[in-house]
Amino acid sequence: QSVLTQPPSASGTPGQRVTISCSGSSSNIGSNYVYWYQHLPGTAPKLLIYRNNQRPSGVPDRFSGSKSDTSASLAISGLRSEDEAAYYCAAWDDSLSGHWVFGGGTKLTVL
Amino acid sequence: EVHLLESGGGLVQSGGSLRLSCAASGFTFGSYAMSWVRQPPGKGLEWVSSISGSGGSTYYADSVKGRFTISRDESENTVYLQMNSLRADDTALYYCAKGAIFGVAGALDPWGQGTLVTVSS
Repeated sequence: QSVLTQPPSASGTPGQRVTISCSGSSSNIGSNYVYWYQHLPGTAPKLLIYRNNQRPSGVPDRFSGSKSDTSASLAISGLRSEDEAAYYCAAWDDSLSGHWVFGGGTKLTVL
Repeated sequence: EVHLLESGGGLVQSGGSLRLSCAASGFTFGSYAMSWVRQPPGKGLEWVSSISGSGGSTYYADSVKGRFTISRDESENTVYLQMNSLRADDTALYYCAKGAIFGVAGALDPWGQGTLVTVSS
């Protein structure tokens, strides 16, 4: 069971807007930045969003992140077929001696 | 360009050991934290361990604490993961990722292509 909770699946049609939620607690999302990673089968995971809502260079502005209290969300607008992938949220957790926690991942299907 | 290349994976019997390596290039290795993250077959990403840029601080997931050791060699620009007392549930694709400058709580970016560890029971 993952510390951060994500829906296992999401779907949308091309052009639609989809959001993926990520729920945590005060020791992780509530007190640290949230990161989002995109993972296509057979490839290395790719950083999509850092520090809650910042996009690395090269990531389209169709992708956006937000955070509120102990929850975060990733929004993808203008959905494209190449967006079909697994998406993971992650945050540093201050409990114990500190560790990374990941969500269980959301498999996005573009219908 | 930053490049990370993992190696050392393979098939090992339960109770055995393996040492994974991650050779880094394209950045000032000694300034950045490094992490290992794994993905068991059919499952999601699971953080394993991180080491600070100085190597003075290390962090482990509870599932590997006491069995795995992370280290780094600045002269070789390489981070290692020594895995002992391996169990079937350690079977996974192990990724190496570059972390934040000095501290461990920053973005993991980029990631290597991974090295596969299979533990037979």
